Amino acid sequence: GENVEQHPSTLSVQEGDSAVIKCTYSDSASNYFPWYKQELGKGPQLIIDIRSNVGEKKDQRIAVTLNKTAKHFSLHITETQPEDSAVYFCAARFTGAGSYQLTFGKGTKLSVIP
Amino acid sequence: DVKVTQSSRYLVKRTGEKVFLECVQDMDHENMFWYRQDPGLGLRLIYFSYDVKMKEKGDIPEGYSVSREKKERFSLILESASTNQTSMYLCASSPRGTDYEQYFGPGTRLTVT
Repeated sequence: GENVEQHPSTLSVQEGDSAVIKCTYSDSASNYFPWYKQELGKGPQLIIDIRSNVGEKKDQRIAVTLNKTAKHFSLHITETQPEDSAVYFCAARFTGAGSYQLTFGKGTKLSVIP
Repeated sequence: DVKVTQSSRYLVKRTGEKVFLECVQDMDHENMFWYRQDPGLGLRLIYFSYDVKMKEKGDIPEGYSVSREKKERFSLILESASTNQTSMYLCASSPRGTDYEQYFGPGTRLTVT
């Protein structure tokens, strides 16, 4: 099955700096890559996603890049704010059997220091 | 507003008890999921359902079963709870199809003693 590796597991940045979280996936047939943000005491919430026919997608301060050849994708947060502090999960969906299933990375705890 | 609710935020059960975790969504979604979240392990899929009475095993189904008798409700059952099932359990739902946002509930923290 699919395997998703996520790095780093923890990340601390100063407010206003950028944060980058990287994920690699094992199945070259994967074609959908969402990112979820989980705040303390809440369930994860989708913040951005990208499909395999696109190399980059932006939404205000958040961007995701995808390198299909290298099988990795990254989340970029610019001008970080304290409210960006949370756990972030990447995920990948492969097109094989059970294609409803997302495989999640292990998560990155982002701390934005005011 | 989209909503997924879970029956309990915190639950404490004894080893060997039968445990029911309930999840209800009000968005008329076809797909529903049960995940387990453990520190350092991320989210792991236990079971999912793409229609009433339909279910598929995820990555870690052992020790669990599910029931979906109505579209809006998806239940996770621990037939005989064990201490290694102490965890955070998250329910999610999404529309029919594969590339849609999954909406998560707030989670149930289950402790088995």
